Amino acid sequence: SQTIHQWPATLVQPVGSPLSLECTVEGTSNPNLYWYRQAAGRGLQLLFYSVGIGQISSEVPQNLSASRPQDWQFILSSKKLLLSDSGFYLCAWSLGAGEQYFGPGTRLTVT
Amino acid sequence: AQSVTQLDSQVPVFEEAPVELRCNYSSSVSVYLFWYVQYPNQGLQLLLKYLSGSTLVESINGFEAEFNKSQTSFHLRKPSVHISDTAEYFCAVSEWYGGSQGNLIFGKGTKLSVKP
Repeated sequence: SQTIHQWPATLVQPVGSPLSLECTVEGTSNPNLYWYRQAAGRGLQLLFYSVGIGQISSEVPQNLSASRPQDWQFILSSKKLLLSDSGFYLCAWSLGAGEQYFGPGTRLTVT
Repeated sequence: AQSVTQLDSQVPVFEEAPVELRCNYSSSVSVYLFWYVQYPNQGLQLLLKYLSGSTLVESINGFEAEFNKSQTSFHLRKPSVHISDTAEYFCAVSEWYGGSQGNLIFGKGTKLSVKP
């Protein structure tokens, strides 16, 4: 069966510090991978998606970036965090563009 | 889909009462429809989906949703809720166009609060 992991589970970072969140998927090949952010009262915002290694599509211009170095690995990064980057970050996978399966999330607080 | 609208941001209801969470979407092409549930500080879990066939779909924990193409709706219902159903529910739509399926578009969520 397929499993999706995210770490860390929680993170508190000062403004201006770098960020690296990791997502890994086991038990499937060539998944589509997604990064979402949930901010209070704003629902789910799609940040990036990837259909393969090295292929990243950005949905929202911002100071975040994503990379997919391995088929099963998706990384969300920032060089300098802003207060507005606080939120709950969710990674998801799908086969094709159908239903998506979500990881447990990372709660990021930028202070 | 141009948009997905969940008409109620919060729905308070008493235990064992029926509930309906409303979802409308705007699209001129074929769609797949989904409901997800999110418990506090957890990821989203797929609750049920409509891909084709019967317009009434059910989940294993008593929820059901009906696809109404003419009204572009996919409302979620449960005849008798439990305290454990307290969560946030998200409606999502994926469009089919040009032989390919688009990414999911999510509504802003409805927080269901079940009170004893």
